[in-house]
Amino acid sequence: QSALTQPASVSGSPGQSITFSCTGTSSDIGGYNYVSWYQQHPGKAPKLMIYDVSKRPSGVSNRFSGSKSDNTASLTISGLQADDEADYYCCSYAGSSEWVFGGGTTLTVL
Amino acid sequence: EVQLVESGGGLVQPGGSLRLSCAASGFTFSSYWMYWVRQGPGKGLVWVSRIKSDGSSRSYADSVKGRFTISRDKAKNTLYLQMNSLRAEDTAVYYCARGPRGDYYMDVWGKGTTVTVSS
Repeated sequence: QSALTQPASVSGSPGQSITFSCTGTSSDIGGYNYVSWYQQHPGKAPKLMIYDVSKRPSGVSNRFSGSKSDNTASLTISGLQADDEADYYCCSYAGSSEWVFGGGTTLTVL
Repeated sequence: EVQLVESGGGLVQPGGSLRLSCAASGFTFSSYWMYWVRQGPGKGLVWVSRIKSDGSSRSYADSVKGRFTISRDKAKNTLYLQMNSLRAEDTAVYYCARGPRGDYYMDVWGKGTTVTVSS
């Protein structure tokens, strides 16, 4: 159950597009189409942004999109806004009724 | 309104026990899988445990296996986490979360309850 690998931080300017990476193995990301992404503002509960690799829950802006290639998943935010500044976590089903999260990426909007 | 409210956190000595509760409202509790996820101070999210909608199947992270027990009470619409043999590294905010039956994500989260293990 090793954590998925995410860059510690990324930054971007308002209006820009930014992509977060999340790297796992063939036992988790590469083995299942069950990657989800969560946004967490400081002191708040996580919020689901993407599920099943690329599906967006109702109420989540279409500026958020997800994809996967082999053992790496990606979250893209287009038209960056100040309120997007938060921590972002990827999560994957890892088989045998287990889940694994990434270490999280802090997004700074410049 | 769909809501999950955790309680039961607090300060406990190493080796001690604590039971967390998560009260669910606004949805059919018995139709969803339920999860516990924790977050250590200044750290990332870590999956702890999951229980299926009918309680028939439970799973745990290796770090808590044999020490923690997840359970649910359909009549009370409540999820529990019994934590025994607590260690300093169990110190965290514990979140309960809901997930659609048969899918593998958490779509609604509570605000969390804080557990501190220290002498």
